[in-house]
Amino acid sequence: ELKVEQNPLFLSMQEGKNYTIYCNYSTTSDRLYWYRQDPGKSLESLFVLLSNGAVKQEGRLMASLDTKARLSTLHITAAVHDLSATYFCAVDRQGAQKLVFGQGTRLTINP
Amino acid sequence: NAGVTQTPKFRILKIGQSMTLQCTQDMNHNYMYWYRQDPGMGLKLIYYSVGAGITDKGEVPNGYNVSRSTTEDFPLRLELAAPSQTSVYFCASSFPPGRSYEQYFGPGTRLTVT
Repeated sequence: ELKVEQNPLFLSMQEGKNYTIYCNYSTTSDRLYWYRQDPGKSLESLFVLLSNGAVKQEGRLMASLDTKARLSTLHITAAVHDLSATYFCAVDRQGAQKLVFGQGTRLTINP
Repeated sequence: NAGVTQTPKFRILKIGQSMTLQCTQDMNHNYMYWYRQDPGMGLKLIYYSVGAGITDKGEVPNGYNVSRSTTEDFPLRLELAAPSQTSVYFCASSFPPGRSYEQYFGPGTRLTVT
C-alpha cells in the first residue's frame, strides 16, 4: 500500500526566513505533485515533478524530487505572509493519476 | 472555460437520506475523479473514471456510487448517508497520462450528515 508522509505537519515561521517541507513515500512512483490549499478553498497546483532529479521553481518556492530516496522537498525562500497556507504533496499511484495525498503541512508565516 | 464545477456548495443531510453530488467539466478531459477531504487531512480517492461508461473504485468507495454517461459529467451518489460521510468532496479531471499530468480540482461540496 502506498503511503505518503509529510513533515512537519505544522510550521510557524517568520517572514524572511527559509525552510523546507519534506514528503516521503513508500513505494516506487515516477510522479509527484505539490498543491496549495487556502482555508475553505480548493487545491491549487504548484508543481508536477515527473522524473528523478527534477527541480522546479516558481517565485519563492522550489520543489525537487529524488525517486531513489522516495523523497520530495518543497523549499521556501525568504518567506512572506502571502505564502501562509496548507501544502500537500501527492504521489501518482500505479501511473493512472490516482493520487495518494500526504496529510498536509499547515504553514503560518508571521510578520 | 468554467473548468470543473460542482453543485451544491453546501448540504446538510439527515442520517439515512440520499443525495447526488454533481460534477461537470468543460475541458474535454477523459479522466475524472472524486476525492473526499476530512478535517485536517489530505484527500482520499473515492472513485475515478477513465472515460464515459468506465468507472472504478479508489481507496474509500464504500457508501458511494458513481456513473459516467457523458465525458462532461461525473455524479457521485450517496446512499443511506452516515455521519462518517461528513466531509468536503472534491471532483477533479485530467487528460490521460502522457498528454498532460495536471489534475484540475473543482471548488468542493461541503457535506454535513447529522
